[in-house]
Amino acid sequence: AQSVTQPDIHITVSEGASLELRCNYSYGATPYLFWYVQSPGQGLQLLLKYFSGDTLVQGIKGFEAEFKRSQSSFNLRKPSVHWSDAAEYFCAVGARTFGNEKLTFGTGTRLTIIP
Amino acid sequence: EPEVTQTPSHQVTQMGQEVILRCVPISNHLYFYWYRQILGQKVEFLVSFYNNEISEKSEIFDDQFSVERPDGSNFTLKIRSTKLEDSAMYFCARQGRTNYGYTFGSGTRLTVV
Repeated sequence: AQSVTQPDIHITVSEGASLELRCNYSYGATPYLFWYVQSPGQGLQLLLKYFSGDTLVQGIKGFEAEFKRSQSSFNLRKPSVHWSDAAEYFCAVGARTFGNEKLTFGTGTRLTIIP
Repeated sequence: EPEVTQTPSHQVTQMGQEVILRCVPISNHLYFYWYRQILGQKVEFLVSFYNNEISEKSEIFDDQFSVERPDGSNFTLKIRSTKLEDSAMYFCARQGRTNYGYTFGSGTRLTVV
C-alpha cells in the first residue's frame, strides 16, 4: 500500500528566507507525486505534480520540487517565501492504476511566515 | 483548468439526518472521487467512481455512504444517517481523460450537531 510521510508538522520561516518542506513516500513502483496547498477553511490547490521525465518540477507561485528515487523523496522548495505563502501544505502520492488513481495524502506541514 | 463546483459550501445537520452533498464536474471527465478531511487532520480517500459505478472505496465508506451521478452531470455523496464523527470537509475531485492530475472542488463543510 502506498503511504506518505511529512515529518515536519509545523515550520516557521522568515519572510524572504528559503523554504524546504520534506516529503517521503512509499510505493512499489514509480509513483505520481503531488503537492497541494490549503489556506484555512479553503480547498486544495495543486502546486505541482510529477509523473515522469525531468525530476525537477516547476510549479505555480515560484515553487519547485525534486523527485529523488533513491531517497523516496519529493521535497518542496521555494527560494524566497512571501507572507501569502502561509498555509498548510500536503504531499500526496497517486497509484499508477489506470482509471483509479486515488491519492494518499500526508498529514501536512503548516507553514508560518514571520516578518 | 475549469473549476469543480460543490454545493452547499457549508451544511449543518442534526445527527441521524440524511445529507446529500453535490458536485458539478465538467461532463467529459470520466473519473470522480470523494475525499474527506476531518478538522486538523489529513485528507482521506473515500470512493472513486467511473462509468457510473464505484471502482474503489475505502473502509471509511461504509453502508451509510452512497454515491450517484443521477443526471449525467451532478455527482452526489449521500450520508443516510449522519453521526457526529461525520463532521468534516468533503471534497469532490475530477480527473479528465488526458489529465493525469486532479482538480478538487472547494469543498463542503459538514457539521453534525
